Formats: sequence, structure tokens, C-alpha cells
Amino acid sequence: AQSVTQLGSHVSVSEGALVLLRCNYSSSVPPYLFWYVQYPNQGLQLLLKYTTGATLVKGINGFEAEFKKSETSFHLTKPSAHMSDAAEYFCAVSDPGSGNTGKLIFGQGTTLQVKP
Amino acid sequence: DTAVSQTPKYLVTQMGNDKSIKCEQNLGHDTMYWYKQDSKKFLKIMFSYNNKELIINETVPNRFSPKSPDKAHLNLHINSLELGDSAVYFCASSHWDRDYGYTFGSGTRLTVV
Repeated sequence: AQSVTQLGSHVSVSEGALVLLRCNYSSSVPPYLFWYVQYPNQGLQLLLKYTTGATLVKGINGFEAEFKKSETSFHLTKPSAHMSDAAEYFCAVSDPGSGNTGKLIFGQGTTLQVKP
Repeated sequence: DTAVSQTPKYLVTQMGNDKSIKCEQNLGHDTMYWYKQDSKKFLKIMFSYNNKELIINETVPNRFSPKSPDKAHLNLHINSLELGDSAVYFCASSHWDRDYGYTFGSGTRLTVV
């Protein structure tokens, strides 16, 4: 079955430091991949997505992610963390087995803490 | 205007009660979803409707019944509420194609006491 693993349930960085949030997936076919951000008491907001084409995708708020098929990874990065980046981050994959149902499978989430 | 709106935002109720959560989207999307987020923030799909047709029905107790009167609305009715139903329920919508970008509502925090 399709699955998503986010390494590290909690990541802490200093303001201005590099942000790296890890995501690995299991799939026998190339999936579509997504990163979402959830601020406290809010819904999830799409940061970026990979469907086809260029493997390095840029999203909102200065985030980007690179699809590496050989490593089955889709890690999220940002060169310089801001205090406002503190939130919960979710990696998600489409489920090829679901056909065209639009079903997304989410990772467990990573809490990003940004220290002054 | 809110793209995906859920009501109520908070819901506190006693065990055994029946409650409903409503969801509406004004994005012109044709697919809507219900996800449950547990206390550990894990998100799991419950149901999905495309143009009022049920297309995803995960292993969910039959106390949970979705209803989609039209493609802009997806409601969730829960009978005989149990303590374990306490969670945040998110509605989401998307276009029916392979480029699945969900737009989420802000969630309904259900607390069963």
C-alpha cells in the first residue's frame, strides 16, 4: 500500500538558518507529491506540488522541494527560516491505486519550531 | 469570501447525541472530501464525492453519513457520538483531474464529553 514517511516529528531551527523537512514515499509508480502547511487552529494550505516535468518545484513563502525518484524522496527546503514559518508541515502523495478518486495520503506531519 | 467554509468551527456535545457539520465551497470544484485529524495530527480520508456521487468511502463506522445535495456542498452527519469521535474534521475540495490540489476548510473541532 502507498505510504508516506516524514522523518522527524519535530524540527527546530534558528531564525535565518536552513530549513530541511524530509519526506519519503513508497509507490510502485510515480505519484503526485505535495507539501501542505498548517498554522495553529487553521486548515491546511498548499505550499507546492510535483506532478510532472521539472523535479525541482518552487512554492509559496520561499519554499522549494525536489523530487528524487531514485531515492523516493520529496524533501522540503527553505534557505532562511523566518519566525512566521513555525507551523505543522505535511507531505502527501496521490494514491495511484485509487484511480482518479483524488485520494491523498498524508505523512505524520513535522512540527517546525523557529528560534529567535 | 471564504473558499471552503465549514460550520460550526467548534462543537462540544455529549455522548450519544447526533450532530452535523456543514461544508460549502465557492471555487467551482467538482470534488469534495472529508478528512479526520486525530489528536496526533494524523490526517485520514473518510469520504469523497464527485458531482454528488460517492467515490471514496473508507473504513468508517456507519454512524458517519455524508450527504452532498449539490457539488458545492458536502455535509457530515454523525449518529450516536462516541468519545473516540473527538477530533478535528476537515472538508476539502479540488478539481476532478490528476493535478490534485486540495483547498481545505479551517476545520471543525469536535469534542465529545
